[in-house]
Amino acid sequence: ETGVTQSPTHLIKTRGQQVTLRCSSQSGHNTVSWYQQALGQGPQFIFQYYREEENGRGNFPPRFSGLQFPNYSSELNVNALELDDSALYLCASSYTGGSYNEQFFGPGTRLTVL
Amino acid sequence: GQQVMQIPQYQHVQEGEDFTTYCNSSTTLSNIQWYKQRPGGHPVFLIQLVKSGEVKKQKRLTFQFGEAKKNSSLHITATQTTDVGTYFCAGRREYGNKLVFGAGTILRVKS
Repeated sequence: ETGVTQSPTHLIKTRGQQVTLRCSSQSGHNTVSWYQQALGQGPQFIFQYYREEENGRGNFPPRFSGLQFPNYSSELNVNALELDDSALYLCASSYTGGSYNEQFFGPGTRLTVL
Repeated sequence: GQQVMQIPQYQHVQEGEDFTTYCNSSTTLSNIQWYKQRPGGHPVFLIQLVKSGEVKKQKRLTFQFGEAKKNSSLHITATQTTDVGTYFCAGRREYGNKLVFGAGTILRVKS
């Protein structure tokens, strides 16, 4: 177990709705990265948060947004859901400041958009 | 943009046979990481390679980083059924925070 938790584990939404996914990072870590993993594909980088600021973003539209809180936990918000947003959403916790960039992934949230 | 290609997509081996997956980046990387994801699970960090030409071993697993820091490989000697899963490489560019994953190689092991 990595100590990274995500909630909820599963979620079903309809097109146009909004969703918030949550992630608690591992103790001692200050950085959270979010990934989208479609079936049969590798994780795609959405964005990263460090010290409560967005610190890098992948090719995702602005309707994907996030937050990081003072305790380093994080939220991923997706507005105006589309069918293609159906995927496993993974958060990964790491420590920025050392020489090693190992990321610890949480179990993921499986989002289904109908 | 940066792309990371991984081959093969899928490999089915007899238990005891060797397995290799290859990773190629369109750009020079500052480091490359390897992850394993079991069916229904999440990616689990295996190793990070940083130096040009670096070779690291973990028991039956051997990881290599190319001299040009654009390619990498993972070799498993004498596969076991516990090696089943999808192996991903993920590359990070110099001065970047974005980790770009390959599509993964699915390994199945017949006992």
